[in-house]
Amino acid sequence: QSALTQPASVSGSPGQSTTISCTGTSSDVGGYNYVSWYQQYPGKAPKLIIYEVSNRPSGVPDRFSGSKSGNTASLTISGLQAEDEADYYCTSYTGSSTLVVFGGGTKLTVL
Amino acid sequence: QITLKESGPTLVKPTQTLTLTCTFSGFSLSTRGMGVGWIRQPPGKALEWLALFYWDDDKRYSPSLKSRLTLTKDTSKNQVVLTLTNMDPVDTATYYCAHRMTWDYSFDYWGQGTLVIVSS
Repeated sequence: QSALTQPASVSGSPGQSTTISCTGTSSDVGGYNYVSWYQQYPGKAPKLIIYEVSNRPSGVPDRFSGSKSGNTASLTISGLQAEDEADYYCTSYTGSSTLVVFGGGTKLTVL
Repeated sequence: QITLKESGPTLVKPTQTLTLTCTFSGFSLSTRGMGVGWIRQPPGKALEWLALFYWDDDKRYSPSLKSRLTLTKDTSKNQVVLTLTNMDPVDTATYYCAHRMTWDYSFDYWGQGTLVIVSS
């Protein structure tokens, strides 16, 4: 069982927006602003798309945005495109001996 | 340009020790704030953080694997080596090394990953 809880799957139509949630505790998501999101295509390495809750690395489209409220972080993808179909993982720093925890991943299907 | 690449055996037998090497370029692990992490992913499953090697030689390990896991580095070769003892079939996974975003806990550059199968 993963430390952070994500929905197993979400879906949306091209052009629509979708949000993926990531629920932790006050010891991880709620306690630090070190929440990150990764996009992973089958057979490929993960790609960082959001760091420190809401920052985008260079080159990541502004269709991707992150936020946090309490113990839950969220990734919103607006203007869905077929190429957004992938698995998405959230992570958080914990400040404990388990330095970084991952979510169980969410499969995004673009209908 | 930062790049990382994992290398090591594809197949190991149960109880054996796994040694994986992460060879990187484009940064120095001696630079303050730098780090190299290891993450694995069993087939069809989620990512799991394993360990992090900091620029100051400090190391952090996943508590669930701490007794079996060791990280070392070879500065002259720009390598970080992961050793995992007493391998079990549940350790079958793709193992990734990744560059820690400076002063952060995100990983902004990843290796391609290497699949390790544990089977007799």
